[in-house]
Amino acid sequence: GESVGLHLPTLSVQEGDNSIINCAYSNSASDYFIWYKQESGKGPQFIIDIRSNMDKRQGQRVTVLLNKTVKHLSLQIAATQPGDSAVYFCADLYNTDKLIFGTGTRLQVFP
Amino acid sequence: EAGVVQSPRYKIIEKKQPVAFWCNPISGHNTLYWYLQNLGQGPELLIRYENEEAVDDSQLPKDRFSAERLKGVDSTLKIQPAELGDSAVYLCASSQRQGFGEQYFGPGTRLTVT
Repeated sequence: GESVGLHLPTLSVQEGDNSIINCAYSNSASDYFIWYKQESGKGPQFIIDIRSNMDKRQGQRVTVLLNKTVKHLSLQIAATQPGDSAVYFCADLYNTDKLIFGTGTRLQVFP
Repeated sequence: EAGVVQSPRYKIIEKKQPVAFWCNPISGHNTLYWYLQNLGQGPELLIRYENEEAVDDSQLPKDRFSAERLKGVDSTLKIQPAELGDSAVYLCASSQRQGFGEQYFGPGTRLTVT
């Protein structure tokens, strides 16, 4: 079956540094991935997505990399800010109609 | 543009009591989702609606959970009777159409069953 998991439950970075959050998936047929940010007391917020025909996609201060060979994707946040502190989830859009979320990585930003 | 609205934000009930959650999706969004989120976990889909039709309720524990979206807009999720293990955050999300990742989530209802 499909599963989406994250390597590290907590990531601590200093303000201004770059952050890298990793995610592994098991379903080789997965073709669409999304990163969500969830702040305390709020619902998940869409950050960026990537389709399997791409290796890299960039947004504002964020980059998602997809390595289909090892079924791994990562979220890179440049110049991490205190407002980036949250839990980050990767999700796989399974069969085009169901989001499968991973466990999440908590990003803590220190001054 | 208003986001997804959920109420109540918090609910504390005793086990075996009924509880209901309400969701108002973003205007014009035909697809509505209910998710359950346990502490430290990602959301898990309970049910998905396309307009007023429940098109995926395979993960909904139908012995105690029910949902409705009568006019294809607002939706209600009900638990009767609640069990201790139902304590979680219940999230509602909506999207313009199915099959697209950009689902917009509400703030959730945090349920505590004592």
